[in-house]
Amino acid sequence: NAGVMQNPRHLVRRRGQEARLRCSPMKGHSHVYWYRQLPEEGLKFMVYLQKENIIDESGMPKERFSAEFPKEGPSILRIQQVVRGDSAAYFCASSPQGVEQYFGPGTRLTVT
Amino acid sequence: DQQVKQNSPSLSVQEGRISILNCDYTNSMFDYFLWYKKYPAEGPTFLISISSIKDKNEDGRFTVFLNKSAKHLSLHIVPSQPGDSAVYFCAASLGGSNYKLTFGKGTLLTVNP
Repeated sequence: NAGVMQNPRHLVRRRGQEARLRCSPMKGHSHVYWYRQLPEEGLKFMVYLQKENIIDESGMPKERFSAEFPKEGPSILRIQQVVRGDSAAYFCASSPQGVEQYFGPGTRLTVT
Repeated sequence: DQQVKQNSPSLSVQEGRISILNCDYTNSMFDYFLWYKKYPAEGPTFLISISSIKDKNEDGRFTVFLNKSAKHLSLHIVPSQPGDSAVYFCAASLGGSNYKLTFGKGTLLTVNP
């Protein structure tokens, strides 16, 4: 059973470009969470999705950030018009139901 | 306002001894607590969890203790092994229908051979 997969692992974008991060949950998991980790910080919750539904986006900036988890395919976290402050590690976690979440390896976004 | 705090940025122990990692929280509504281990350039790996209705949970070398009145939990690793060297994150969840996690900043554990 493959774990949570994220791609790309590393992403470099210039200021103003779009970043698109992908997350494929573990087989059988229908709950996806996205977290962001800034240097020297813990992980911060961004958004919680189930298939075709955003359940909680309270941790996601209102502008430039969006997330989706379509019926088919991976969950996508999209950041439009990136700025240097968006540079961070973005982790996705999946869960079948319940509190235990299994994390992917993360995408390290660098904005130049 | 940091709801989950790990006040020790680092901890160093000798191989074979006990490692004790501590975590404090401020929100009494948290229903579940979890510990994750993280190696550099990897995602966090789930270690062990505990429900707020329990005060202890054990899994192999790992034991988590919860003291609700003090809003404190701890992770004990015994015996410690060099492969345990990593950053350990404490996390908490309100439960219900949304299990989003609130993380502490982590403690870097170094186990010396």
